[in-house]
Amino acid sequence: EIVMTQSPATLSVSPGERATLSCRASQSVSSNLAWYQQKPGQAPRLLIYGASTRATGIPGRFSGSGSGTEFTLTISSLQSEDFAVYHCHQYNNWPITFGQGTRLEIK
Amino acid sequence: EVQLVESGGGLVQPGGSLRLSCSVSGFTFSSYVMHWVRQAPGKGLEHISAISSNGGSTFYADSVKGRFTISRDISKNTLYLQMSSLRAEDTAVYYCVKPLGRMIYDAFDIWGQGTMVTVSS
Repeated sequence: EIVMTQSPATLSVSPGERATLSCRASQSVSSNLAWYQQKPGQAPRLLIYGASTRATGIPGRFSGSGSGTEFTLTISSLQSEDFAVYHCHQYNNWPITFGQGTRLEIK
Repeated sequence: EVQLVESGGGLVQPGGSLRLSCSVSGFTFSSYVMHWVRQAPGKGLEHISAISSNGGSTFYADSVKGRFTISRDISKNTLYLQMSSLRAEDTAVYYCVKPLGRMIYDAFDIWGQGTMVTVSS
């Protein structure tokens, strides 16, 4: 099973600043990596797939990068609605696995 | 509009059974692999099962293998998850999920609202 490790567990950032979230895979997942945003009481929302492609309707301030085992989600200028939990997800191999999540909180 | 609407969650005793349903609309249900993902309270996401577009192939996480059965009824545009021998650790919100494309391995672009399953005596 591919283990996905997200860091940090919690990230405190001020509105308007940049946030950088990391996701590491225990073995290569090529570019088969997605990022999701989840707010309390809501289902996850797809932000990024293919490691770097924004999903439909996702603002340009969200960007993804990386391949193989190291991936990054960057939010260039945090808006109030961006404070949430972010999950990474590898879909390169069975079993499909997720990271444990990074909570992005207001500093 | 693409929609996934789960139902069937609730409180069940350990060892009991429950069947979840997911009614879909807005896309060609018979063309897509479908998935179930769960999230225990305060925890991360766990993929537990998938079913091929024609229902001929099914896939299960080790944590639910032998206890859960995924199925689909194309005529009713509905996905199911039959859960038996339930344990406390199965307590979670269960999401029905549609993949972005038609491959078995893909990102998940549409999620249902989730249905809560609580296993407790």
